[in-house]
Amino acid sequence: DQQVKQNSPSLSVQEGRISILNCDYTNSMFDYFLWYKKYPAEGPTFLISISSIKDKNEDGRFTVFLNKSAKHLSLHIVPSQPGDSAVYFCAAITSGNTGKLIFGQGTTLQVKP
Amino acid sequence: GAVVSQHPSRVICKSGTSVKIECRSLDFQATTMFWYRQFPKKSLMLMATSNEGSKATYEQGVEKDKFLINHASLTLSTLTVTSAHPEDSSFYICSARTGRETQYFGPGTRLLVL
Repeated sequence: DQQVKQNSPSLSVQEGRISILNCDYTNSMFDYFLWYKKYPAEGPTFLISISSIKDKNEDGRFTVFLNKSAKHLSLHIVPSQPGDSAVYFCAAITSGNTGKLIFGQGTTLQVKP
Repeated sequence: GAVVSQHPSRVICKSGTSVKIECRSLDFQATTMFWYRQFPKKSLMLMATSNEGSKATYEQGVEKDKFLINHASLTLSTLTVTSAHPEDSSFYICSARTGRETQYFGPGTRLLVL
């Protein structure tokens, strides 16, 4: 039962253009969402997050949008840079204090120079 | 940000042996650490929640006798893969929690069981 889904395994974008990574979830008890970036053979690094009470959070080139009614969130990177090429994981936390992260399958982003 | 280390970064062992992986929070104390496993081109799967001073909480389907977790101090958690088999070969990642929404991940340990 995949509670967090990233249906696009890969995405290729030209440098300078916008990258949009999508994530869908099924559990309405999720109240916090995060995006992580991961390089091969390394641990994930935190990028940006959003609480379920908000619909947008922006940090520099990264913006996360949350559509609770559709149970959908997206990460926008603009402008995309070659250094952004990595695997991006969407993750969610359920309400309560466990702090357990439920990860999506990841989307491999390639930004071409 | 906070730093989490893992040791070793890579280990190759023979089938039937046990392997211990350490996860340390270097500049902060973590009452809770998490252990994940990642298969090639797959998501990170939470294996267990490691709580300092108490027994670990394992996710459904994870054998607690196979994957022994010890959280002896506020800066160290260990994962021991007992009687390793080739199917245990994977990338193991730990994280340390500083708040409900904040986890810092280690660099991961690549385990190869021959």
